[in-house]
Amino acid sequence: GAVVSQHPSWVICKSGTSVKIECRSLDFQATTMFWYRQFPKQSLMLMATSNEGSKATYEQGVEKDKFLINHASLTLSTLTVTSAHPEDSSFYICSARAANSDTQYFGPGTRLTVL
Amino acid sequence: GENVEQHPSTLSVQEGDSAVIKCTYSDSASNYFPWYKQELGKRPQLIIDIRSNVGEKKDQRIAVTLNKTAKHFSLHITETQPEDSAVYFCAARAGAQKLVFGQGTRLTINP
Repeated sequence: GAVVSQHPSWVICKSGTSVKIECRSLDFQATTMFWYRQFPKQSLMLMATSNEGSKATYEQGVEKDKFLINHASLTLSTLTVTSAHPEDSSFYICSARAANSDTQYFGPGTRLTVL
Repeated sequence: GENVEQHPSTLSVQEGDSAVIKCTYSDSASNYFPWYKQELGKRPQLIIDIRSNVGEKKDQRIAVTLNKTAKHFSLHITETQPEDSAVYFCAARAGAQKLVFGQGTRLTINP
């Protein structure tokens, strides 16, 4: 199957700082990318959907000014957690889908810990 | 919007036995139903998917069945092995809309 990479795999930061997470589709062009958040022993919670070159569509309850998403190319999307606080600590996973494809491939996830 | 219910939340079976996980969905327009396997701390991996024009699909020990009338679909794993232990998520999508995931099933294979 297609490969999606995510960087970094884990990050620890101080409260109030910003953290950027990168998601790349390595062997296909991802017209749509998704960002999820997953708490321990819970399902995947969709945060936002981004289409290349367009503004992201955020799910209800997700602060767009706090979770900045950029999908500048067909192979790269970034999620920036601004002014992170301990409650933002979580497992963040990106996913990518090519045009005219049903299949959604997931990245390996980024574990964010905010102290 | 779409709502996906998944049962059971936990499932424990003896190695070699079969495991069945069931999901129901609410949106009759849903036409794509993937299943993902997620091991602890790792990414969800697509293991099988089915589209609404098909009633059943099989890949070695894994099969998925779809009942559009009843709006439910199931994952069947036969001859279970210890490496099948993981959390399994079903999902449903209507057209180009977002995937909606079930709550997950923690499957444990007992040796």
